[in-house]
Amino acid sequence: DAKTTQPPSMDCAEGRAANLPCNHSTISGNEYVYWYRQIHSQGPQYIIHGLKNNETNEMASLIITEDRKSSTLILPHATLRDTAVYYCIVRVPYGGSQGNLIFGKGTKLSVKP
Amino acid sequence: DVKVTQSSRYLVKRTGEKVFLECVQDMDHENMFWYRQDPGLGLRLIYFSYDVKMKEKGDIPEGYSVSREKKERFSLILESASTNQTSMYLCASRAWRTSGQDTQYFGPGTRLTVL
Repeated sequence: DAKTTQPPSMDCAEGRAANLPCNHSTISGNEYVYWYRQIHSQGPQYIIHGLKNNETNEMASLIITEDRKSSTLILPHATLRDTAVYYCIVRVPYGGSQGNLIFGKGTKLSVKP
Repeated sequence: DVKVTQSSRYLVKRTGEKVFLECVQDMDHENMFWYRQDPGLGLRLIYFSYDVKMKEKGDIPEGYSVSREKKERFSLILESASTNQTSMYLCASRAWRTSGQDTQYFGPGTRLTVL
C-alpha cells in the first residue's frame, strides 16, 4: 500500500468548507484513495473513495490531482459533529483478510463555533 | 444505509469470565471483521469471516474465537477474559463479492473492561 502523508491537525470554522489534504506521491495505477473518519469513542466511518476522477456523495467530495500524487477531501459545510480524526488510505482493493484496514495517524479536524 | 450494530457499547467483566460480543449487519454483506483498537496501536485484526461458517485468523487471534452461523451475525468470544483484553472492539462488514471493493462499514464499538 502506498504511503500517505496528512497534516496532524486542522481547524475549521463551523459552516465553512473543510479541505483536508493527503499526499500519496508513490501511488500506483491500480491503487484507490479511501477516506474514513473516526469520531471520538465511536467506530470508524467510511466517507468516500476514488481512483482517478473526482467523486462526490452526500457526505463529501474527493478531489484527486491529475497526476494522482495528492488528493483533498472536502466537507462543504462543516458542522461541530464533523470534529473527528480523518484517515486517508491508498491501496489496491483486497479480498480476504488482507483487506484489513490499517490507519495511519490521520488529521484531527476541529470544527469551531 | 448500511447498519452494523454491536450488542453492547460498554461491558465490564472479571478475569476468567467467558465473554460474547455480537455483531449484526443488515446489508447481506459476505465478509465480516473483528478488530480491536488500542491507543497508539491502531486497528488490529483479530478474525475475519469470508461467509457463513468460514473464518480466518487475523494478526492477533490468541485468546479469541469466532462464530458465524448466519450471514448477518458474527460473534467474537473471549474464552477466558484477561486484563490485557481490555480494549475497544470493532466489528465491520464488507460487500466484497458483489462490489469488488473493500469499503468497510463499522459498528459503534464495544468498550470492554476486564477487571
